[in-house]
Amino acid sequence: AQSVTQPDIHITVSEGASLELRCNYSYGATPYLFWYVQSPGQGLQLLLKYFSGDTLVQGIKGFEAEFKRSQSSFNLRKPSVHWSDAAEYFCAVASTGGGNKLTFGTGTQLKVEL
Amino acid sequence: EAQVTQNPRYLITVTGKKLTVTCSQNMNHEYMSWYRQDPGLGLRQIYYSMNVEVTDKGDVPEGYKVSRKEKRNFPLILESPSPNQTSLYFCASPIAGGSAYEQYFGPGTRLTVT
Repeated sequence: AQSVTQPDIHITVSEGASLELRCNYSYGATPYLFWYVQSPGQGLQLLLKYFSGDTLVQGIKGFEAEFKRSQSSFNLRKPSVHWSDAAEYFCAVASTGGGNKLTFGTGTQLKVEL
Repeated sequence: EAQVTQNPRYLITVTGKKLTVTCSQNMNHEYMSWYRQDPGLGLRQIYYSMNVEVTDKGDVPEGYKVSRKEKRNFPLILESPSPNQTSLYFCASPIAGGSAYEQYFGPGTRLTVT
């Protein structure tokens, strides 16, 4: 069965600093990978996705992620964090075996210090 | 504007009192699904529907029912809610013409069962 691990429960960065959120997945075939962001009291917003092709994908709000098959990773990055980026971030992998299920990691809570 | 809507957004109820959370999408996609979000567990799929009158269990279906009589609506039914169903619930659907794996989420329904 597929699984997603986000090893960092909480991360604190200073505004303007770079950010990297880690995501490792377990899936037998080529994965479809996603990053979502959830601001306090809000729903989930899709930041970016990887289906195939270029392993560096660009998303909204200045985020990017790199797919590394050899490391089973899909880490999210941003060169300069803004205070408004404070939120919870979820990595997910899609099941292509039926049900179109997204399996989510447990999330990383990002705090931005001014 | 492509939208997934849920009602109500907040609900407090008592054990055993039947309730329904509605979900509607205007994205004209066959696929819809329900997830619950719990702290430290991420999001887990409850039920999904591949098309009208076609529904199937996700990872945590116990205590829930669904129906899909129309393409745009996918209500979640709790016939006898229990306190362990206190959670944040999300409905999701892809955009017609897009990948079925790229799902967009509603704003969420926060349910408290006392």
